[in-house]
Amino acid sequence: AQSVTQLGSHVSVSEGALVLLRCNYSSSVPPYLFWYVQYPNQGLQLLLKYTSAATLVKGINGFEAEFKKSETSFHLTKPSAHMSDAAEYFCAVRGQRTGANSKLTFGKGITLSVRP
Amino acid sequence: DVKVTQSSRYLVKRTGEKVFLECVQDMDHENMFWYRQDPGLGLRLIYFSYDVKMKEKGDIPEGYSVSREKKERFSLILESASTNQTSMYLCASSFSTGELFFGEGSRLTVL
Repeated sequence: AQSVTQLGSHVSVSEGALVLLRCNYSSSVPPYLFWYVQYPNQGLQLLLKYTSAATLVKGINGFEAEFKKSETSFHLTKPSAHMSDAAEYFCAVRGQRTGANSKLTFGKGITLSVRP
Repeated sequence: DVKVTQSSRYLVKRTGEKVFLECVQDMDHENMFWYRQDPGLGLRLIYFSYDVKMKEKGDIPEGYSVSREKKERFSLILESASTNQTSMYLCASSFSTGELFFGEGSRLTVL
């Protein structure tokens, strides 16, 4: 079994401020972890992924995330928010399995607003 | 670039109608998925398929069925649409343990 918890539904930051979006997971097998972004009226786009190599993962648009096994966390950060970062962000987990056990489970998502 | 194409961006149907949502991917991915997205509930998995003619129920399969006769195509079927199936439907595909690639979504309204 696997699950993802994204606490809170909305985060608001000022332009230029640090962005921190939290994600905690549970998985009965070693996980692969993902962050996706969704802009209005679009599908989801991959920001970054953890696949058991380096624990600090860098993604697109200046985002990065750190896998912490002891905390079962995979928080997303960006040092300086830009207006174009306003979107909905989803954390997701899947087990390192193939076939029928390879489904991806998403969190409920967090809406990021960026104030001028 | 990977392309996942959903047949319709917007559909309006009446209660009781049969609805087909089609999804095609061009990357020879083994896995294909159907999710629905509702405000405050995130993405919930309806069905997924890890090979041709193979399917697995997701978290909310009730009221839905799927078909995968060819590797590149995965169809979601609502046998008798109901108003509580009004939602955004997202199709995705992936290699066996890789990231998912999503289509643009199909927004279904059932009146």
